[in-house]
Amino acid sequence: NAGVTQTPKFRILKIGQSMTLQCTQDMNHNYMYWYRQDPGMGLKLIYYSVGAGITDKGEVPNGYNVSRSTTEDFPLRLELAAPSQTSVYFCASSSLGTPNEKLFFGSGTQLSVL
Amino acid sequence: DQQVKQNSPSLSVQEGRISILNCDYTNSMFDYFLWYKKYPAEGPTFLISISSIKDKNEDGRFTVFLNKSAKHLSLHIVPSQPGDSAVYFCAADGSSNTGKLIFGQGTTLQVKP
Repeated sequence: NAGVTQTPKFRILKIGQSMTLQCTQDMNHNYMYWYRQDPGMGLKLIYYSVGAGITDKGEVPNGYNVSRSTTEDFPLRLELAAPSQTSVYFCASSSLGTPNEKLFFGSGTQLSVL
Repeated sequence: DQQVKQNSPSLSVQEGRISILNCDYTNSMFDYFLWYKKYPAEGPTFLISISSIKDKNEDGRFTVFLNKSAKHLSLHIVPSQPGDSAVYFCAADGSSNTGKLIFGQGTTLQVKP
């Protein structure tokens, strides 16, 4: 069982470039999330989704966009990458009714913007 | 404004001893707290949680204590094992059980053999 899969694992971008971080889960979870973790800091919520077609902003949404066309996939789009977006990005999912205890994370994408 | 704080960046303990990781929060509306464990190059994994209606929850070697009046929680690991060496994150549910968690900065635990 794959769980939550993120690609790529590493990426280096130049300032102003754009990219999409991919996230897919095979657990049929309704809830999906994108968090970022800066060095020495906790994870901060970027965007989340409670089901296909429904997304909402988290604590730090600026510079990012998301879509949720299927239950399985929740891609995160970075437009006009900036050095402040250098971070480790984690996608997570959880099942309806018990989101807190069942938050499953992917292994992360380490992104550097130079 | 850091609503969930882990003031100790690191902790080192001897194998077999107790590890105590601390976490403070500022928002009295938080009603659910969780601890996650993270190994290098992996995502966080859920460890243990506690509802605000309880003051203690146990799961094997792991116990979480909640002191609502002090807005403080702690994770006790007894006995500590080398495999427990990891980063531990405290998190609080900031919005009615939607999984929109607010994380502390993390504490790196090293358990020495």
